[in-house]
Amino acid sequence: EAGVTQFPSHSVIEKGQTVTLRCDPISGHDNLYWYRRVMGKEIKFLLHFVKESKQDESGMPNNRFLAERTGGTYSTLKVQPAELEDSGVYFCASSQVTRTTNEKLFFGSGTQLSVL
Amino acid sequence: DAKTTQPPSMDCAEGRAANLPCNHSTISGNEYVYWYRQIHSQGPQYIIHGLKNNETNEMASLIITEDRKSSTLILPHATLRDTAVYYCIVRSQGAQKLVFGQGTRLTINP
Repeated sequence: EAGVTQFPSHSVIEKGQTVTLRCDPISGHDNLYWYRRVMGKEIKFLLHFVKESKQDESGMPNNRFLAERTGGTYSTLKVQPAELEDSGVYFCASSQVTRTTNEKLFFGSGTQLSVL
Repeated sequence: DAKTTQPPSMDCAEGRAANLPCNHSTISGNEYVYWYRQIHSQGPQYIIHGLKNNETNEMASLIITEDRKSSTLILPHATLRDTAVYYCIVRSQGAQKLVFGQGTRLTINP
């Protein structure tokens, strides 16, 4: 079974440009999460989808970030325009919706974003 | 969600048991203790979780004290591939997101 896949693995862009990160969750997983780690900081939650609906987007830093999950399958995270402080590793995770909520999250390997 | 406290780093010899402590003194009754780890350049990986009973799986054992204010993750026979940052996370029932702290950087030495 394929795990959570993220594309690209690395992206180097200039300040002011736009970048779109993609996440393909494990097939059948309705929960999809975005997290990120900026340099020297802890891994921080960005947002959570259940199918195509945004359940919690409290961690989104500002309106330069836009996440979508059309059709409830893969998700994209667009940063427009990118700023220097957006550099970091962006992780996607997915899990099944269960009655107990004792869910395990499965993470992708992340996208290393460098804004120059 | 309750806050956790972990030592910033630990060392362990290969083949020995690695015991990683976690303090969660403000944990409440419906909060679970989860452990994840992050091996360099990979995403976090689920290890184990528990509520109040000790738990064991193919990766590790989780020992939770009777008052639930602390727990210990045990890797019974550590290998070099267990070198990683280990995160102890307390998560309430119904909560969806994980709140990561600084974790413990565990180094397994040959």
